[in-house]
Amino acid sequence: NAGVTQTPKFRVLKTGQSMTLLCAQDMNHEYMYWYRQDPGMGLRLIHYSVGEGTTAKGEVPDGYNVSRLKKQNFLLGLESAAPSQTSVYFCASSPSYPISYNEQFFGPGTRLTVL
Amino acid sequence: KNEVEQSPQNLTAQEGEFITINCSYSVGISALHWLQQHPGGGIVSLFMLSSGKKKHGRLIATINIQEKHSSLHITASHPRDSAVYICAVRSYSGGGADGLTFGKGTHLIIQP
Repeated sequence: NAGVTQTPKFRVLKTGQSMTLLCAQDMNHEYMYWYRQDPGMGLRLIHYSVGEGTTAKGEVPDGYNVSRLKKQNFLLGLESAAPSQTSVYFCASSPSYPISYNEQFFGPGTRLTVL
Repeated sequence: KNEVEQSPQNLTAQEGEFITINCSYSVGISALHWLQQHPGGGIVSLFMLSSGKKKHGRLIATINIQEKHSSLHITASHPRDSAVYICAVRSYSGGGADGLTFGKGTHLIIQP
């Protein structure tokens, strides 16, 4: 099993450009998450999904959109990139049961720089 | 919102020393996680706790629910233990699926 994979690993964008980050998991997990990690701060939740076709906002959703058309994939989109979105993005997935534990499995991260 | 505080922020120790990293949180939780992030960036789950104590090799994690506090201990530390250790919690009010709240991490360096 590959676990959780992320594409691409690195990307440099210019302000105003758009892009999509792809997260894929092969563990049949119901829940998927997108986090961002910035220096001096803990990981923060951008959006999450509790199942195919559903998405919800997390702590820092502004400037991002997501889609979960297939259970195994969770896409994070930046419609008009801004320098404030320079960050390392992590995708994670977890099984839906037992819900109280919610162990999360992380992808390797995508390092995004917006100039 | 649950606040998660870790201490120390940075820790440098000599190989073989006993290491303790602390985590405090502000509201009730259903589970607490300890994660490890290596210099390459990948994040792996070390422990998931809802009560008591867990041990895996040289790593021990404890939690005191009443005091809202957890500790991660490393015995006989080794340079390969050098990493950022992250505490994260699942709040009762979180609804069960809306992700974890993370501490800022403790940057540990073990010198040979």
